[in-house]
Amino acid sequence: KQEVTQIPAALSVPEGENLVLNCSFTDSAIYNLQWFRQDPGKGLTSLLLIQSSQREQTSGRLNASLDKSSGRSTLYIAASQPGDSATYLCAPRWGGNNNDMRFGAGTRLTVKP
Amino acid sequence: GAGVSQSPSNKVTEKGKDVELRCDPISGHTALYWYRQRLGQGLEFLIYFQGNSAPDKSGLPSDRFSAERTGESVSTLTIQRTQQEDSAVYLCASSLGGFGYTFGSGTRLTVV
Repeated sequence: KQEVTQIPAALSVPEGENLVLNCSFTDSAIYNLQWFRQDPGKGLTSLLLIQSSQREQTSGRLNASLDKSSGRSTLYIAASQPGDSATYLCAPRWGGNNNDMRFGAGTRLTVKP
Repeated sequence: GAGVSQSPSNKVTEKGKDVELRCDPISGHTALYWYRQRLGQGLEFLIYFQGNSAPDKSGLPSDRFSAERTGESVSTLTIQRTQQEDSAVYLCASSLGGFGYTFGSGTRLTVV
């Protein structure tokens, strides 16, 4: 069974800190992996998409790495800001079947001013 | 449209009533997905449509749940005889091939 685990479940940091969110998944044969942000009461916003052939993707202060062989992805947020407070979800997708995407339970991030 | 649109954004219904939730995907996206998210929990896959293929209904929790999609456009998720346990945010997403998903803002369903 394909499962996704995110650690930590919750994280509270002061503004300005660099931080790392972890995602691990069973079955390393993923097609791609996406990181999403979810704000309270809202839908999901796609942050970064990493194809299986890639090692990392960067967008502004965000950097996502992928170690497919060990079943891990990391989201790195530099110089955190209060506006980064949200839940971050990791979603690997397996195979060519478009519904083979599973979500982790998320990491709830709070950045304190 | 520019994004995935869901309606209504909020729905309060009495236990036992039927509800319909609507999703307008991004134009040209062949795949459409419904997920459910209960308070404080992760996303549960419900159903997936890909073009004109038979939908994957493997995530529907009971026969009270059904969904339709007309071609590659609008989808409707119907919940019959709603129960309090159906209270959740229902999220719709669309995608084109393997190039990621775009989510709507969701419908918050409250069954009282």
